[in-house]
Amino acid sequence: SQTIHQWPATLVQPVGSPLSLECTVEGTSNPNLYWYRQAAGRGLQLLFYSVGIGQISSEVPQNLSASRPQDRQFILSSKKLLLSDSGFYLCAWSVGQGIINTEAFFGQGTRLTVV
Amino acid sequence: QQQVKQSPQSLIVQKGGISIINCAYENTAFDYFPWYQQFPGKGPALLIAIRPDVSEKKEGRFTISFNKSAKQFSLHIMDSQPGDSATYFCAASAGANDYKLSFGAGTTVTVRA
Repeated sequence: SQTIHQWPATLVQPVGSPLSLECTVEGTSNPNLYWYRQAAGRGLQLLFYSVGIGQISSEVPQNLSASRPQDRQFILSSKKLLLSDSGFYLCAWSVGQGIINTEAFFGQGTRLTVV
Repeated sequence: QQQVKQSPQSLIVQKGGISIINCAYENTAFDYFPWYQQFPGKGPALLIAIRPDVSEKKEGRFTISFNKSAKQFSLHIMDSQPGDSATYFCAASAGANDYKLSFGAGTTVTVRA
């Protein structure tokens, strides 16, 4: 069966520090991978998605970047965190291209607090 | 700009009551409409989904009603239980031509015992 791992679960970082959040998927090949951010009391904002290794699409211009160095690994990064980067970050995957069902499976999330 | 508008933002229902959450969309290319359930501190999980070729889908106490002409769909939670207290998100995508889900803003449901 497929599983998604996301870590760390919680993170407190000072303003200006770098960020690296990692997500890996097991049990599937060539998944679509996503990073979402959920601000307190708000919906899910798509940040980045990837349909293959090295292929990254950005939905919202901001202080963050994403990379996909391996088929089932997705990394969210920042060189210098801002206070506004605080939020709940969720990694997700869905079945790859050509499949109609676009059900997304989410990780457990990372609670990031920038202080 | 949010492609899927969801209401209400929150609702409180008594145990045994019916919870109703509504969503509306504009993009006529959308052809997949899932609902996700999220408990505090956890990632969302798929609850139930519908495609526009049917007007209603029921799974246990959860029912999606879909009105293609009005571009609206709704989630009904029958016989609401305290364990249903969570945030619910509607979403939409355009299937094989769209790798992304567009989410509504979410509805926090509180079921009082």
